[in-house]
Amino acid sequence: GQQLNQSPQSMFIQEGEDVSMNCTSSSIFNTWLWYKQDPGEGPVLLIALYKAGELTSNGRLTAQFGITRKDSFLNISASIPSDVGIYFCAGNGMDSSYKLIFGSGTRLLVRP
Amino acid sequence: GAGVSQSPSNKVTEKGKDVELRCDPISGHTALYWYRQSLGQGLEFLIYFQGNSAPDKSGLPSDRFSAERTGGSVSTLTIQRTQQEDSAVYLCASSSQGAQNTEAFFGQGTRLTVV
Repeated sequence: GQQLNQSPQSMFIQEGEDVSMNCTSSSIFNTWLWYKQDPGEGPVLLIALYKAGELTSNGRLTAQFGITRKDSFLNISASIPSDVGIYFCAGNGMDSSYKLIFGSGTRLLVRP
Repeated sequence: GAGVSQSPSNKVTEKGKDVELRCDPISGHTALYWYRQSLGQGLEFLIYFQGNSAPDKSGLPSDRFSAERTGGSVSTLTIQRTQQEDSAVYLCASSSQGAQNTEAFFGQGTRLTVV
């Protein structure tokens, strides 16, 4: 089945630094989504991307749907302590319009 | 309700016992999903409901797992004869768009521990 490779696995950065993480797929995806999960909580949707090449921002977050439809990145600018959490990419592949495939997550730690 | 609600939030059970996990989706959402998250891992799809029917049960790990949805609302995930490898967080999500899962909202999950 389709799989997503998400990297890096973890990041430990200084407050104020910018962060970048990405996901790649071996096959084409129709949508790309980025979620954040805090401890003990379910994932919360941050950004949804629907078109190849689409670049979308949500506050300090920016995400792009790759032109090849096989990759996406998420950037966080000027990180703050509350950005700490696990970030997941997810997407719908060609074989299913409803089944979200999730990456393994990027754990972000921010040093004040 | 205002969001997806799951109960219990934590469940510890003995190996071999049956457990039931409940999900109350957002009111009016026709699509409902169950996912499983093992420690430090991403989310594994289990089952999808559109209304009361389940077009896709392909993610259920074994025949010990079953789920139902009644009245197009509440869903119950049942695990029979639990095993230690069933220990995980079980997440439920709902969406108003059955054909596209793009605006799926998750509950806080049920952490299941089988001892």
